[in-house]
Amino acid sequence: DAGITQSPRHKVTETGTPVTLRCHQTENHRYMYWYRQDPGHGLRLIHYSYGVKDTDKGEVSDGYSVSRSKTEDFLLTLESATSSQTSVYFCAIVTGASGTGELFFGEGSRLTVL
Amino acid sequence: GESVGLHLPTLSVQEGDNSIINCAYSNSASDYFIWYKQESGKGPQFIIDIRSNMDKRQGQRVTVLLNKTVKHLSLQIAATQPGDSAVYFCADRDDKIIFGKGTRLHILP
Repeated sequence: DAGITQSPRHKVTETGTPVTLRCHQTENHRYMYWYRQDPGHGLRLIHYSYGVKDTDKGEVSDGYSVSRSKTEDFLLTLESATSSQTSVYFCAIVTGASGTGELFFGEGSRLTVL
Repeated sequence: GESVGLHLPTLSVQEGDNSIINCAYSNSASDYFIWYKQESGKGPQFIIDIRSNMDKRQGQRVTVLLNKTVKHLSLQIAATQPGDSAVYFCADRDDKIIFGKGTRLHILP
């Protein structure tokens, strides 16, 4: 599992509240990714990081922000959650310093916004 | 823009038969592709990859074929088993790692 832990695994929240999902890795990998998965859309990239304080936007970054203040943690924040952000969120890491290695996923965080 | 897509959302295959899952991509500069398997309630898992300098790559019971002329790749699973039931994704492997929408493989007894 490449030492990836996502928390929380399940969360129910109300529209307009802030939510932060955490991805923690124990193997010092440089590249980390946040995806959301929805029926009919597959996996869509939200944001990714290629090092501490180095992040970039993916396909569906609107409404999301990320932070990477240390190598092991990549945080995904919904400043004001909306019902359209109800989804399963997956964190992933890439092995190898150049980001060309294998992609490993966490077990997912299911978020429901009421 | 860049996209990666699978041809069929669902595929039903008799147990023991071979399965073929197809994927098309749009970026002609793509040079590395990966297939992932996702079982219910779990994150995607790596199956096999292929680089653009290859046409075919084989693993254990799986083969990936790449046709760069028509920008198409396929995943072939030999002697499909109940444990192969899952959603399969192809991915264009560059910095952003863009995934296709997935094909659900049903195994018929």
